[in-house]
Amino acid sequence: DAGITQSPRHKVTETGTPVTLRCHQTENHRYMYWYRQDPGHGLRLIHYSYGVKDTDKGEVSDGYSVSRSKTEDFLLTLESATSSQTSVYFCAIRAGAGPTSYEQYFGPGTRLTVT
Amino acid sequence: GNSVTQMEGPVTLSEEAFLTINCTYTATGYPSLFWYVQYPGEGLQLLLKATKADDKGSNKGFEATYRKETTSFHLEKGSVQVSDSAVYFCALSRMASGSRLTFGEGTQLTVNP
Repeated sequence: DAGITQSPRHKVTETGTPVTLRCHQTENHRYMYWYRQDPGHGLRLIHYSYGVKDTDKGEVSDGYSVSRSKTEDFLLTLESATSSQTSVYFCAIRAGAGPTSYEQYFGPGTRLTVT
Repeated sequence: GNSVTQMEGPVTLSEEAFLTINCTYTATGYPSLFWYVQYPGEGLQLLLKATKADDKGSNKGFEATYRKETTSFHLEKGSVQVSDSAVYFCALSRMASGSRLTFGEGTQLTVNP
């Protein structure tokens, strides 16, 4: 257990509304990630953070923004939700600090439905 | 760019059968390779990993060997159980680009008693 929680766990929202998902970790990891999971695509990276206020885009970042104002929290915002953003969202942390410690540990996920 | 290709599923086996799930990758440099497992309604759990060529990762009876010459990381288990029913994801990571994971599409495994 890497001490990762996500909130909310389930959310239904309407098209055009803003939505913020929260990822919280308790073990002071530097790297945090947001992925989305869709059938036939595995998981795809949305954004990641490599420190407080340090973030970068992933492969499917359009329509999403992130913020990290403190080490333990990484927020994902859908600025104006669309039906194509209906998905399961997973947060992850990168464990370890060595050059080969690349493994990531995942939170329980947030199921988002945009109607 | 980096990519991971997994054998298409779903895979259905009887209990105690031998399991192989194929995974091949394309990447520059020397990626680390992973297998993750996802049980119904849950997040992903790290199953095993390998960080350099010829490394063998193993856990819970599952094994995978990092084969650089064939760019493969096939998952195997000698005798599957009903409790192994899940979706299995192969993934790679490189230190460049923030150690992001690149996933395959996932393989659904169902084991029947």
